[in-house]
Amino acid sequence: NAGVTQTPKFQVLKTGQSMTLQCAQDMNHEYMSWYRQDPGMGLRLIHYSVGAGITDQGEVPNGYNVSRSTTEDFPLRLLSAAPSQTSVYFCASSYGRGDTQYFGPGTRLTVL
Amino acid sequence: RKEVEQDPGPFNVPEGATVAFNCTYSNSASQSFFWYRQDCRKEPKLLMSVYSSGNEDGRFTAQLNRASQYISLLIRDSKLSDSATYLCVVPTDSWGKLQFGAGTQVVVTP
Repeated sequence: NAGVTQTPKFQVLKTGQSMTLQCAQDMNHEYMSWYRQDPGMGLRLIHYSVGAGITDQGEVPNGYNVSRSTTEDFPLRLLSAAPSQTSVYFCASSYGRGDTQYFGPGTRLTVL
Repeated sequence: RKEVEQDPGPFNVPEGATVAFNCTYSNSASQSFFWYRQDCRKEPKLLMSVYSSGNEDGRFTAQLNRASQYISLLIRDSKLSDSATYLCVVPTDSWGKLQFGAGTQVVVTP
């Protein structure tokens, strides 16, 4: 099992550019989520999905879109990058919402 | 008040010593709790779950104090490899929404 994979590992964008962060899991987990981690603030939930075709907003959803067409994949789209979106992004999956979260290795995003 | 609060540290601990630190939470209805470990520039990984009064796994002991609404993590016989940031995680609603603390940094020195 590869677990949770994320690409790319690093990305630099200019303000206004768009991009998609990829996330995939091979554990057949129904629940997937995207977090961002900023210094001193802990992990904050951006969007989550309880199964294919179902997504919902988390704590900080503005500027991000998600879709879940398959159980395995949960991409995160930045619509128009802003410097405030400079952060480390983690994708996670679990059997259920309150269960042990398995995290991907993260994407370090810098927006200039 | 934040839903989950942790002392950011760092806690500088000599190798072989014991270190303990707390995590306070605001939702008195929370039933289960988690400690995750995060190494520098890596993803968080589950260290242990806490479902009742506490849990023990080798040198790590987690204790839950529901009356005062905090959980603690104690590390005995600290190893250099224990140097990491420890994240406290608390479900904050009946649907299992997880709230992560900002983490406590532990640095074990030779």
